Amino acid sequence: RKEVEQDPGPFNVPEGATVAFNCTYSNSASQSFFWYRQDCRKEPKLLMSVYSSGNEDGRFTAQLNRASQYISLLIRDSKLSDSATYLCVVNMAGNQFYFGTGTSLTVIP
Amino acid sequence: DAGVIQSPRHEVTEMGQEVTLRCKPISGHDYLFWYRQTMMRGLELLIYFNNNVPIDDSGMPEDRFSAKMPNASFSTLKIQPSEPRDSAVYFCASRSNTGHEQFFGPGTRLTVL
Repeated sequence: RKEVEQDPGPFNVPEGATVAFNCTYSNSASQSFFWYRQDCRKEPKLLMSVYSSGNEDGRFTAQLNRASQYISLLIRDSKLSDSATYLCVVNMAGNQFYFGTGTSLTVIP
Repeated sequence: DAGVIQSPRHEVTEMGQEVTLRCKPISGHDYLFWYRQTMMRGLELLIYFNNNVPIDDSGMPEDRFSAKMPNASFSTLKIQPSEPRDSAVYFCASRSNTGHEQFFGPGTRLTVL
C-alpha cells in the first residue's frame, strides 16, 4: 500500500470554479503535511503547509483530518495560472517525506 | 540566491554507460535530497544527506546507484551501468535545519536507450 494516495485526475474546471483535491495517507504517525505545486516540466515548489486547525492563503484552503487520515486542498475562484499538478506530501519522523503522484488540474477559459 | 543548481539538465545515454548527475544545494542548507520522478511511481526519495553525511539510502534501487557529497556545496548521483528503466527525471533538493520546505533544483531528465 502506498504511503500517500491521490486521485490523479485530470480535473478540468472553468475559470472561477471551486475545486477540491483529497489525499489519503496510511501511517497514523505522520507528523506534518504539505501541498506542493508542480508546473509542467518544472520542479515542485511548496504551495502551503497543512496545519491541524486548517489554514488559508488567499484563494487556497488546506485542511487536515487526522481521524480519517486525509488532507484536502480547496481552490476558490480558479485562475488559468492555477493549472498545474498538485502534490500531497506527508512527513514521518525525521526526513522521510512521502510524495503523492499528484493531481492534475487544468483551468479552462 | 541562485537556488539549487543541477547539471546536466538533459542526458541521453546508451544502456551500460555510466551516468553522473550533479547538484549544488542552496548555500547554508544542511540537508540534501535526491529524488527520482516517473509517471508511474511519482517522486521517490533515493537518498538524503545531513551535513554531507548520508543518513538514509534505503530508497536507492540497487547497487548500480551511488551518491556522494564530498563537501557542503556539491553532491553527485552516479548510475553504473545505466539501464533503460532508469529513465526518469532526477531532482535534487535542499533544506535548512530550521524549516520544513524543500527547495528543488530544475531536475535532470535522463533517457537511457
